[in-house]
Amino acid sequence: EDQVTQSPEALRLQEGESSSLNCSYTVSGLRGLFWYRQDPGKGPEFLFTLYSAGEEKEKERLKATLTKKESFLHITAPKPEDSATYLCAPLLTDSWGKLQFGAGTQVVVTP
Amino acid sequence: DTAVSQTPKYLVTQMGNDKSIKCEQNLGHDTMYWYKQDSKKFLKIMFSYNNKELIINETVPNRFSPKSPDKAHLNLHINSLELGDSAVYFCASSQGGVYGYTFGSGTRLTVV
Repeated sequence: EDQVTQSPEALRLQEGESSSLNCSYTVSGLRGLFWYRQDPGKGPEFLFTLYSAGEEKEKERLKATLTKKESFLHITAPKPEDSATYLCAPLLTDSWGKLQFGAGTQVVVTP
Repeated sequence: DTAVSQTPKYLVTQMGNDKSIKCEQNLGHDTMYWYKQDSKKFLKIMFSYNNKELIINETVPNRFSPKSPDKAHLNLHINSLELGDSAVYFCASSQGGVYGYTFGSGTRLTVV
């Protein structure tokens, strides 16, 4: 059975305190891996798609990396506006466009 | 100009009623989806349509029926609403099931 685990469940950071979020997965076939951020009361907002092991993508203070079994989202020198729930979602090969979401990591950045 | 728009944003209704949620995308994508986010915040796929054809139909009660009149629209009709149907429902679209995967802002359904 396909499984996606995100850790930690929650993370409280001081402004400027860098950290990493983990997304580990056991899936039948991986076509890519998506990262989204979700603010309360809003829909998931696209951040990155990674397609192959070793790939890295960056956007402002965020950097996503991918290995064969897990992905990391690094937050460098976070600001309060980076507070959100971060969701990872492997895109499965055996089902057209099916994203298998993890439970998310809730990040709170305090000034 | 909203890329994926859903209406209504909030829906409060009594058990046993029938309700619909509408979704429209202006991104020119060929694939649309319905996802459900429950109280534990897990997002799970319900349905997917590619060029108006149903291609993903997860284990969802028959009371839920999606309809796609064209590539840009995907509606969700729910019959005989139950308390357990209370959740946030998200519409999404993508190109080819891979690219540009974009979500709407959600419809919060509360069944009382």
